[in-house]
Amino acid sequence: DTAVSQTPKYLVTQMGNDKSIKCEQNLGHDTMYWYKQDSKKFLKIMFSYNNKELIINETVPNRFSPKSPDKAHLNLHINSLELGDSAVYFCASSQEKGKDTEAFFGQGTRLTVV
Amino acid sequence: QKEVEQNSGPLSVPEGAIASLNCTYSDRGSQSFFWYRQYSGKSPELIMSIYSNGDKEDGRFTAQLNKASQYVSLLIRDSQPSDSATYLCAVKRYPGGYNKLIFGAGTRLAVHP
Repeated sequence: DTAVSQTPKYLVTQMGNDKSIKCEQNLGHDTMYWYKQDSKKFLKIMFSYNNKELIINETVPNRFSPKSPDKAHLNLHINSLELGDSAVYFCASSQEKGKDTEAFFGQGTRLTVV
Repeated sequence: QKEVEQNSGPLSVPEGAIASLNCTYSDRGSQSFFWYRQYSGKSPELIMSIYSNGDKEDGRFTAQLNKASQYVSLLIRDSQPSDSATYLCAVKRYPGGYNKLIFGAGTRLAVHP
């Protein structure tokens, strides 16, 4: 039973399109994250939600809009896709209360913008 | 200065040797430290966590933390070819009371037979 699941696993789309990536966790965690991993493999935090509330919003273009309908789901919508958006996007979750907990990652979504 | 710094490698070690991976962090307020392993094309998976100064051992892995020096390391004993991967150091900070998990750029480890 997958703990953190993302869909789709692969996404190929043209510049200018709008796309969404979905993430769900069944661990009962209260915090979810989106990370972007570029071609140099650097894993950079984009957003963090705690109990559906946005708590971390790094310097990310406003074309990226996260949405958390409940604490088990965190989706990422991207408008007007650009070539530079090509990367692997990872969703993760952790438990906020009780700081000694690790983050679990989804399998990643490889986005290719052509 | 990056928040979490690692040598990118590759670090090449022979099979059976000890691999030593190092990481420094900039925020003295950081309280939790993690090592993740990432195989090519896969997601990061946690291999060690450490929260207090000193050593923590788990099988062939030992994590070491020195908060005064803002330094955390990972030792892999009896390295195996299957240990070849990128190792990501991660530091958890608490800006405004919430978790922020920051990763280093990773060190690529290659264990050769």
